[in-house]
Amino acid sequence: RKEVEQDPGPFNVPEGATVAFNCTYSNSASQSFFWYRQDCRKEPKLLMSVYSSGNEDGRFTAQLNRASQYISLLIRDSKLSDSATYLCVVVDYKLSFGAGTTVTVRA
Amino acid sequence: GAVVSQHPSRVICKSGTSVKIECRSLDFQATTMFWYRQFPKKSLMLMATSNEGSKATYEQGVEKDKFLINHASLTLSTLTVTSAHPEDSSFYICSATSGGGGSNQPQHFGDGTRLSIL
Repeated sequence: RKEVEQDPGPFNVPEGATVAFNCTYSNSASQSFFWYRQDCRKEPKLLMSVYSSGNEDGRFTAQLNRASQYISLLIRDSKLSDSATYLCVVVDYKLSFGAGTTVTVRA
Repeated sequence: GAVVSQHPSRVICKSGTSVKIECRSLDFQATTMFWYRQFPKKSLMLMATSNEGSKATYEQGVEKDKFLINHASLTLSTLTVTSAHPEDSSFYICSATSGGGGSNQPQHFGDGTRLSIL
């Protein structure tokens, strides 16, 4: 089983829609969780950390479910500029990246 | 905010050439930097953890003699791909944390280096 698994997508959604996707991890001892955004052929950029109680940053909501070992990202009121690949990162003694979920927002 | 600079951004060279990639933390000291490799449409794969003043820690399957890492100062780590071959062509990217070390802090990534070996 891979350490971190994501649905690769792509998720094709119209502007204004809500899109959500998960990331599962295998190591129950994982300590920290992040969502990064990566645009084509660019470096990943931190989108948000994921806290145990769940957290929100504008249109983005991240949640952690330790019992089921997954984190989620929800994007409300999608914008064209949200089109990107979203990488989840899980940290135990090292960083492990998911392969990314591709989101395409269409006009 | 914290900035990590990586240079060069693009390299095209002949097979057999050695290529050095630099990763600098511009406004913070990084005792630990990380080097990744990314294939098209694949996730970042951690290659090694670069520790200032000591030997790098390589992930399983990464050849330490092939990918030489030097972390000479608190703001600079270098990755040298020795005698590069076409299969070494990839996107290499470094990261560092300003949180006093430790991978459980958000990472700041360099711009990446796209290496193409002919």
